[in-house]
Amino acid sequence: AQRVTQPEKLLSVFKGAPVELKCNYSYSGSPELFWYVQYSRQRLQLLLRHISRESIKGFTADLNKGETSFHLKKPFAQEEDSAMYYCALNGEYSGNTPLVFGKGTRLSVIA
Amino acid sequence: DSGVTQTPKHLITATGQRVTLRCSPRSGDLSVYWYQQSLDQGLQFLIQYYNGEERAKGNILERFSAQQFPDLHSELNLSSLELGDSALYFCASSQRINSYEQYFGPGTRLTVT
Repeated sequence: AQRVTQPEKLLSVFKGAPVELKCNYSYSGSPELFWYVQYSRQRLQLLLRHISRESIKGFTADLNKGETSFHLKKPFAQEEDSAMYYCALNGEYSGNTPLVFGKGTRLSVIA
Repeated sequence: DSGVTQTPKHLITATGQRVTLRCSPRSGDLSVYWYQQSLDQGLQFLIQYYNGEERAKGNILERFSAQQFPDLHSELNLSSLELGDSALYFCASSQRINSYEQYFGPGTRLTVT
């Protein structure tokens, strides 16, 4: 079964400190992994996907198939990074595999 | 606003009642997804429709049902409501049938008293 685990419900860091939001997944095939973000009073939106290997708002995430992880990292946290972050998995198309989301981690960046 | 719209924004109702949540997808999007967000369970996928047909089913209770109409808007019907059904209900849409990039609506906050 597909499963996404985000072990931390809440993560608090100081402004300027490094951030790592953990995500582990369970999937037997070749998954696509994503990070979605929900800022206060805004809609849930796609932040980044592992295939593009891009950096968005200073965040990066590397897919580690050996450790089945897709942790989200940023070297220096900013107050505007405070938000709810969801890791999501899209399995190979089988006709019935929409996105599977983790339970989310609330990031709080303290000034 | 050409994005995903949901009505109503807030809904307060009593146990045992029935409510209907409405979602209009982005222009051109054929796929609609419904999610339930609660503090305990996070974001749970309920059901997906593509061009009027049910496409995928997640953790949707039998008391809940949904449909997508010819104009592509979708409705989620929740009946025999229980206190535990209180949650934020999100609708999302995408162009393709199985898309990782889903565009979310603002959500409907349901409170069951």
